[in-house]
Amino acid sequence: DQQVKQNSPSLSVQEGRISILNCDYTNSMFDYFLWYKKYPAEGPTFLISISSIKDKNEDGRFTVFLNKSAKHLSLHIVPSQPGDSAVYFCAAMNYGGSQGNLIFGKGTKLSVKP
Amino acid sequence: ETGVTQSPTHLIKTRGQQVTLRCSSQSGHNTVSWYQQALGQGPQFIFQYYREEENGRGNFPPRFSGLQFPNYSSELNVNALELDDSALYLCASSSGTKTNEKLFFGSGTQLSVL
Repeated sequence: DQQVKQNSPSLSVQEGRISILNCDYTNSMFDYFLWYKKYPAEGPTFLISISSIKDKNEDGRFTVFLNKSAKHLSLHIVPSQPGDSAVYFCAAMNYGGSQGNLIFGKGTKLSVKP
Repeated sequence: ETGVTQSPTHLIKTRGQQVTLRCSSQSGHNTVSWYQQALGQGPQFIFQYYREEENGRGNFPPRFSGLQFPNYSSELNVNALELDDSALYLCASSSGTKTNEKLFFGSGTQLSVL
């Protein structure tokens, strides 16, 4: 049973527009969430994280929103750039634990078209 | 600063064989985590090593084993290979096991079991 779900396998967006990637989780014990980006033939790289004590965290063009009651988080990329084309993974964990033990979703492949 | 390196990059084995994958952690990191990423799936946690001791394990059978050496490099060993073991194996290192200590991933070893 998947504890972290990314229900959209792919997303296509025009350059300059907003990209919204969604993630749902089922385990209410999760209280720390991360997004990773993965290019082909490379390992995942950390993008942004959010603790359950917040509902929003922003870093440049990237913003993560957390809705605890809905067990839902989303990653917004504004404006989207062709270099953002990659697979994006949502991951969850229990705060106080190690980031080495993350539960990942299946990923969403984002394509940003010029 | 040297990042996380994994070897080999690709490997082909036959069912029933044994395999050893290697990982050199990033300079200054003492914690290594291993993940298995099957095709179309997100990375799945195998186990973590902290200062040469296993520090957490995911839902993988005992034929998946590991080691961490005094220089904090690590090995993943898989015995009695099965077809379903075909996957990308990712190693990630961090500077410790606290929540805010980020993971840095290598590019992975692509294992094919025939």
